[in-house]
Amino acid sequence: DAGVTQSPTHLIKTRGQHVTLRCSPISGHKSVSWYQQVLGQGPQFIFQYYEKEERGRGNFPDRFSARQFPNYSSELNVNALLLGDSALYLCASSFLGVQANYGYTFGSGTRLTVV
Amino acid sequence: AQTVTQSQPEMSVQEAETVTLSCTYDTSESDYYLFWYKQPPSRQMILVIRQEAYKQQNATENRFSVNFQKAAKSFSLKISDSQLGDAAMYFCASLIQGAQKLVFGQGTRLTINP
Repeated sequence: DAGVTQSPTHLIKTRGQHVTLRCSPISGHKSVSWYQQVLGQGPQFIFQYYEKEERGRGNFPDRFSARQFPNYSSELNVNALLLGDSALYLCASSFLGVQANYGYTFGSGTRLTVV
Repeated sequence: AQTVTQSQPEMSVQEAETVTLSCTYDTSESDYYLFWYKQPPSRQMILVIRQEAYKQQNATENRFSVNFQKAAKSFSLKISDSQLGDAAMYFCASLIQGAQKLVFGQGTRLTINP
């Protein structure tokens, strides 16, 4: 079975541009979460979606948005990119949303570099 | 607020020996879960072991075990018979029951010396 897949794997953008990152959860998983991992730090929670609804939002500006599609895949959008948005963006899926106490399954991430 | 602290930025161990990675956490909740994740150079976060706070028995997964001290809010990971493939960043994380997010520590880079 395929794990959590993310695309693209690497991306270089210019300040002020926007970017869309994509994630496909494990088959049967209905919850997708997004995390930002700045170099040398632990991941920080951005969003969680469950059954196509936003169930949680971290402390990120409104430039960050996301959505979940009927097939449970998800997109993370970031507008007006700043140099500080350079990071590894991780997607994680779980079967349930708020009951994800079995832990999440992560993808390999998208490395975003803003120049 | 939920916080997780890993005070060891780097650790190293000889192959086949045992190493312990430290983690402390803070939460006012009584129902929560704790995790150790491994992140190799491939970047994917891999779940190593999980612990339910309501269980007194320490979790074990093959060569990996935890020492969960609830009163001290400590959750250390012991790796026995270290192997070269264990080299990675290790992150401790907590999840409050009913919450939506994992809270991670800063990570510990583990090096295995042959």
